[in-house]
Amino acid sequence: ELKVEQNPLFLSMQEGKNYTIYCNYSTTSDRLYWYRQDPGKSLESLFVLLSNGAVKQEGRLMASLDTKARLSTLHITAAVHDLSATYFCAERNQGGSEKLVFGKGTKLTVNP
Amino acid sequence: DAGVIQSPRHEVTEMGQEVTLRCKPISGHNSLFWYRQTMMRGLELLIYFNNNVPIDDSGMPEDRFSAKMPNASFSTLKIQPSEPRDSAVYFCASSPGQGPLHFGNGTRLTVT
Repeated sequence: ELKVEQNPLFLSMQEGKNYTIYCNYSTTSDRLYWYRQDPGKSLESLFVLLSNGAVKQEGRLMASLDTKARLSTLHITAAVHDLSATYFCAERNQGGSEKLVFGKGTKLTVNP
Repeated sequence: DAGVIQSPRHEVTEMGQEVTLRCKPISGHNSLFWYRQTMMRGLELLIYFNNNVPIDDSGMPEDRFSAKMPNASFSTLKIQPSEPRDSAVYFCASSPGQGPLHFGNGTRLTVT
């Protein structure tokens, strides 16, 4: 059974600080997704990581994938208030039904 | 590109009534997903279609839930009869093969 675990589930940080969100997944999938959700809104795709060692960056966010450790990280650099949101990682099962299974999300609050 | 279109945006109904949620995926996307989001259970995959064919419906909670995709541009999720515990935000998402999922704005369902 696909299982995706994120930690922490809640993260409160000050502007200007750095932090990392961790995502552990259960299978040998080499395809990992990160999404952002603002309160009351839909989910927005941030990154798609397609292979071991993949690293992608957009602004203050950088995502990486280690398929051997079954671990993806989302690193936040010099956080700003606008980054406050809930961040989800998701794994796509390959070879089976190819469904996308989400973690529980990390609610990030960036305080001034 | 109008994105994934869901209707209605909000639905309030009484217990026992039939509820039908609608989704128009992005043109050219061959995969369609229905998710349910609650505070307690997070994002749950209900059912997944590929080329209009249901591939994995293991997440459908019980026989009261049914989903159809009569053609590539339309899908419905029906709950009959509805119960208060069905109250949630229901998201439809589509993707082009293995690409990222594009989510609709969701339908907020309240069953009283």
